[in-house]
Amino acid sequence: DGGITQSPKYLFRKEGQNVTLSCEQNLNHDAMYWYRQDPGQGLRLIYYSQIVNDFQKGDIAEGYSVSREKKESFPLTVTSAQKNPTAFYLCASSGDAGANVLTFGAGSRLTVL
Amino acid sequence: GEDVEQSLFLSVREGDSSVINCTYTDSSSTYLYWYKQEPGAGLQLLTYIFSNMDMKQDQRLTVLLNKKDKHLSLRIADTQTGDSAIYFCAERVHKLIFGAGTRLAVHP
Repeated sequence: DGGITQSPKYLFRKEGQNVTLSCEQNLNHDAMYWYRQDPGQGLRLIYYSQIVNDFQKGDIAEGYSVSREKKESFPLTVTSAQKNPTAFYLCASSGDAGANVLTFGAGSRLTVL
Repeated sequence: GEDVEQSLFLSVREGDSSVINCTYTDSSSTYLYWYKQEPGAGLQLLTYIFSNMDMKQDQRLTVLLNKKDKHLSLRIADTQTGDSAIYFCAERVHKLIFGAGTRLAVHP
């Protein structure tokens, strides 16, 4: 079955450490996205990529980095520069040029100790 | 500016209809969406509506769009306990803007 796989589901990190969240899709979608979700808030866009080897900053890119070396993969690194990294991170992809519906992964919950 | 607003909580009795409301600010929205999120999971698309439509029905779901008032609603008929989740409204302008989500609680 086609879909998006995020790993790990839960991750604990000490302050000052970088951590990388994995996102893989087998939907053959061109565009991929990373969102951050905090309680009581809507999803906020961190980074997005519309094609391999290209990506753009979203609304809250500071303290995060991404790469898009393969169509299927869009990993997100949460660096030590991110002041408040504890959150639920959602990866999504889209391939429909019309309605541009997003397909989401199950999410990764990062907790900084 | 771009903003999407929803009430944060709705409680309904099983078997009743639920109506979740959303207002948005950007009149140039092309598509508007409803996504559902169950606990600890990602979002799944429920339905979407193109901005030149005023209603869309899909089984138990009815979406109403009032462009003049910039108001979108989602009606769930015969609400079941499995409908308990957070429902997100989103508009597409040049990017997707999400509301904060409405938590729907269904009680017997």
